[in-house]
Amino acid sequence: EIVMTQSPASLSVSPGERVTLSCRASQSVSNNLAWYQQKPGQAPRLLIYGASTRATGIPARFSGSGSGTEFALTITSLQSEDFAVYYCQQYNNRPLFGPGTKVHIK
Amino acid sequence: QVQLVQSGGEVQKPGASVKVSCKASGYKFTSYYITWVRQAPGQGLEWMGWISAYNGVTKYAQNFQGRLTMTTDTSTSTAYMELMSLRSDDTAVYYCSRGVDYFDMWGQGTMVTVSS
Repeated sequence: EIVMTQSPASLSVSPGERVTLSCRASQSVSNNLAWYQQKPGQAPRLLIYGASTRATGIPARFSGSGSGTEFALTITSLQSEDFAVYYCQQYNNRPLFGPGTKVHIK
Repeated sequence: QVQLVQSGGEVQKPGASVKVSCKASGYKFTSYYITWVRQAPGQGLEWMGWISAYNGVTKYAQNFQGRLTMTTDTSTSTAYMELMSLRSDDTAVYYCSRGVDYFDMWGQGTMVTVSS
């Protein structure tokens, strides 16, 4: 069974900084990997699918990379509205979410 | 615009059942799957299963086999999720979402509290 891990579990970032979040699968999921953003009290929002394709309406400051077992979500020039929890999710077989990374303000 | 609107919060006793609805609008309902995901308080996201709005075929996570039923009503573009034999650890926000692999649209969530 696939296990998804994300690192770090949380990080403090200043507005305007660049941040890279990591996601690892215990076995290859090819490029069947999505990223979501979730703010308190809200539903998740799809950011990236296919490891690197931005979903409709997602700003270009969000980018995804990786394949196989190692993936990354990069946010260039973090905006105030980007402080949230970010989840990766593999869909190579039954969908499985990672535990999330919380990005909060330094 | 594309929207999924869920029914309101529920409080149920252990052993009871709950049925949550998810009404879709703004797209052709039968062209997509509906997936249900839940989130316990302060926890991460747990995939529960999906249903094809086209033909009603379902796939459930092993954790819920035997007490989870997903259905759709194509005449009203509404999906339903029924969870039976509720336990305290079923207390969570339940989300419906559009898609089978990744999920591009989500309902607002329905809080289900299981408490005696």
